[in-house]
Amino acid sequence: GAVVSQHPSWVICKSGTSVKIECRSLDFQATTMFWYRQFPKQSLMLMATSNEGSKATYEQGVEKDKFLINHASLTLSTLTVTSAHPEDSSFYICTGVSNYGYTFGSGTRLTVV
Amino acid sequence: AQSVAQPEDQVNVAEGNPLTVKCTYSVSGNPYLFWYVQYPNRGLQFLLKYITGDNLVKGSYGFEAEFNKSQTSFHLKKPSALVSDSALYFCAVRDMRSQGNLIFGKGTKLSVKP
Repeated sequence: GAVVSQHPSWVICKSGTSVKIECRSLDFQATTMFWYRQFPKQSLMLMATSNEGSKATYEQGVEKDKFLINHASLTLSTLTVTSAHPEDSSFYICTGVSNYGYTFGSGTRLTVV
Repeated sequence: AQSVAQPEDQVNVAEGNPLTVKCTYSVSGNPYLFWYVQYPNRGLQFLLKYITGDNLVKGSYGFEAEFNKSQTSFHLKKPSALVSDSALYFCAVRDMRSQGNLIFGKGTKLSVKP
């Protein structure tokens, strides 16, 4: 089946720094990648839709200048949290769409201190 | 608006007993419905989906779900629960209006006691 490799699994960073999260589709081409955010004990909320070779589509209320999404190839999508603050601490998950359906990355636990 | 509701925050069952995790949906048109399981600090694992066909869908790890159009429900079931089934379960529906992202319910924590 399809696999999405997401790195890092967890990261701790200082306020004001930037963090990049990578999602790679290992055995399929993901023309579309969805990025979700999950707060503790809450559901997954769609942040943005990433399309290869074009600008990402952000959901209402998500700051596009803060959460930079790049989908430069069919197998790699990245989410960069810029100038991170403690309120950005969360669990971030990507999912790629393939013939197998929706394939989720393992998630990234971001803690901003 | 398209949405998914999981009315129970937590479900507690004894090992060996049947379990049900409830889900109702609200979409326009025919729904594409999914169930996922999440273990702590992990991504989501696919359990099963309903696109079309038989209303009773069988999935991974002995789980099944029944699509009920009249009640707009898609409850997850398992005849005999295992302690290892303890996890967070999400029901989801495909958003037909956009690029096909999933809309998730709030999740239900399943606790299976020995």
